[in-house]
Amino acid sequence: DTEVTQTPKHLVMGMTNKKSLKCEQHMGHRAMYWYKQKAKKPPELMFVYSYEKLSINESVPSRFSPECPNSSLLNLHLHALQPEDSALYLCASRGPSSNEQFFGPGTRLTVL
Amino acid sequence: GESVGLHLPTLSVQEGDNSIINCAYSNSASDYFIWYKQESGKGPQFIIDIRSNMDKRQGQRVTVLLNKTVKHLSLQIAATQPGDSAVYFCAEILRTFYGQNFVFGPGTRLSVLP
Repeated sequence: DTEVTQTPKHLVMGMTNKKSLKCEQHMGHRAMYWYKQKAKKPPELMFVYSYEKLSINESVPSRFSPECPNSSLLNLHLHALQPEDSALYLCASRGPSSNEQFFGPGTRLTVL
Repeated sequence: GESVGLHLPTLSVQEGDNSIINCAYSNSASDYFIWYKQESGKGPQFIIDIRSNMDKRQGQRVTVLLNKTVKHLSLQIAATQPGDSAVYFCAEILRTFYGQNFVFGPGTRLSVLP
């Protein structure tokens, strides 16, 4: 199974809502990533987990809160988002001996 | 031809021709460089990588060239097919104390004309 799955596919939320994005992989990868991608722009790295520990946080606002409950799952908790946070949120995983990141299809988030 | 402006740079090529997509990177300390393909509605897909101590690497129908002197990376696609139409991103990987940091370039849209 060389797939990274993300749920939900689409999410619309108000600025006072709390929601979570989920990412799952069963390739045994121990590095997992969250990226944010705006339209016609490249993905921007938000968080990196390595062996379930947060190793890189690219100065992301605290209204985004990542969680890695186990080696297969990655969550992104959202609270009090702003309309400018509307974007495609991509999850990726990578094995230990390769640079190949496997990306999920993303969650299209709209903040009203 | 290639156009650069307020929109994503676009390269239009005739089906069957070879495509060359260019990328300038910023950090001379980057260890690896990767090319990704992103089709509409999908996440990026790994195409090929090259280590910083190499000049050239070939894959299936693709070749990546690295010129460290001018910090330039290119992706050559042989016999371009309609299925190659997508946005292509280069990315540089920098190993830091905290782990690997992936930084993507701005991207180029490849449009294959019939």
